[in-house]
Amino acid sequence: SYELTQPLSVSVALGQPARITCGGNNIGSKNVHWYQQKPGQAPVLVIYRDFNRPSGIPERFSGSNSGNTATLTISRAQAGDEADYYCQVWDSSYVFGTGTKVTVL
Amino acid sequence: EVQLVESGGGLVQPGGSLRLSCAASGFTFSSYWMHWVRQAPGKGLVWVSRTNSDGSRTNYADSAKGRFTISRDNAKNTLYLQMNSLRAEDTAVYYCARVGAADGPIDYWGQGTLVTVSS
Repeated sequence: SYELTQPLSVSVALGQPARITCGGNNIGSKNVHWYQQKPGQAPVLVIYRDFNRPSGIPERFSGSNSGNTATLTISRAQAGDEADYYCQVWDSSYVFGTGTKVTVL
Repeated sequence: EVQLVESGGGLVQPGGSLRLSCAASGFTFSSYWMHWVRQAPGKGLVWVSRTNSDGSRTNYADSAKGRFTISRDNAKNTLYLQMNSLRAEDTAVYYCARVGAADGPIDYWGQGTLVTVSS
């Protein structure tokens, strides 16, 4: 079965960029979606089909996907961006990444 | 406003059964694929099952095959998950979720309902 690997945690200084990677075999050939989940809340879609932002998602969230790695970038991290982030693809079923906890220092 | 409200969770003994419901509002329910996704305490998201807009197609994760059944009642705008032969490892928050297009991203999630399997 297809697997998506994410770093367990990422720490970033307030106002600095944060990059969260999602590794998978030839993931560049797939559509990657990203979700943000704050404690005690349901996930929220922040990037879909590699780099598209749903309405209401701040421009500081962006995405890219090539080769074996997809990346979610928060250009200027805010305290409110502290959350768990999950990548997801379709590969005969819905597959979620292992999740990354983002801490803003 | 799109709303998905799950219910039916609770404490159940191993080997027992439970039926989850998800009441949908704010959109044309009968036009969308619907999914169940679960999250064990302190763990990540795991896809469970999906059904197409009229309920004629269903898919399951290996962990759910043969034990769980997804269904929907478009007249009642409600999604269901019948869970049988429950195990301790099924303990999780179960989320109802909407997908805008088959194989597409999940664009709306419910708040989830907690299922605890324990003796």
